[in-house]
Amino acid sequence: AQSVTQLDSQVPVFEEAPVELRCNYSSSVSVYLFWYVQYPNQGLQLLLKYLSGSTLVKGINGFEAEFNKSQTSFHLRKPSVHISDTAEYFCAVSPRGSSNTGKLIFGQGTTLQVKP
Amino acid sequence: DAGVTQSPTHLIKTRGQHVTLRCSPISGHKSVSWYQQVLGQGPQFIFQYYEKEERGRGNFPDRFSARQFPNYSSELNVNALLLGDSALYLCASRSGTVSSNTGELFFGEGSRLTVL
Repeated sequence: AQSVTQLDSQVPVFEEAPVELRCNYSSSVSVYLFWYVQYPNQGLQLLLKYLSGSTLVKGINGFEAEFNKSQTSFHLRKPSVHISDTAEYFCAVSPRGSSNTGKLIFGQGTTLQVKP
Repeated sequence: DAGVTQSPTHLIKTRGQHVTLRCSPISGHKSVSWYQQVLGQGPQFIFQYYEKEERGRGNFPDRFSARQFPNYSSELNVNALLLGDSALYLCASRSGTVSSNTGELFFGEGSRLTVL
């Protein structure tokens, strides 16, 4: 079984400041890792994903994340946030292997609040 | 191209009633998944359908059922509604094969169900 823990429920930050949203996961098998963003009254949109290869992955809107296998973490970062980045962010995992159903296991979410 | 579309966007039901939620995937996507997102939590996997067959089911009671039609659209049915079924129900579609979990899940904006 897999589980995802997002370590901060809310992260307030001032505009143009850097931000890190933390995500840890637990799994007995190897996983793929994802970050999704949900703007108010909208569905989820993929920010970035880690499948294999370089542990630093870059996504849309200037976000990046680093996979750390030893610490089972996949933290999301942005060097300078904008007001428009205010949203809910979800970390998710999906087990590798042919027996999976393709489902995603999500964390509880982190609310990023960017203040002017 | 149209994204994933869901209907209705909002609905109110009373306990014990039945509800049907509808989803049209992105053109060409054969895999449809349903997720339940309770306020303040991450989405929880309910079902995955591929080529009109159920390929995965989450930890939900038998009151929840779904089906996929030849045009790949899908319905989620919930019988004997409980107050705890109040949530945002998200539909997502994906290209690729049934076990392909590296591709992006595209989410609709959801159907917000309130049970009184």
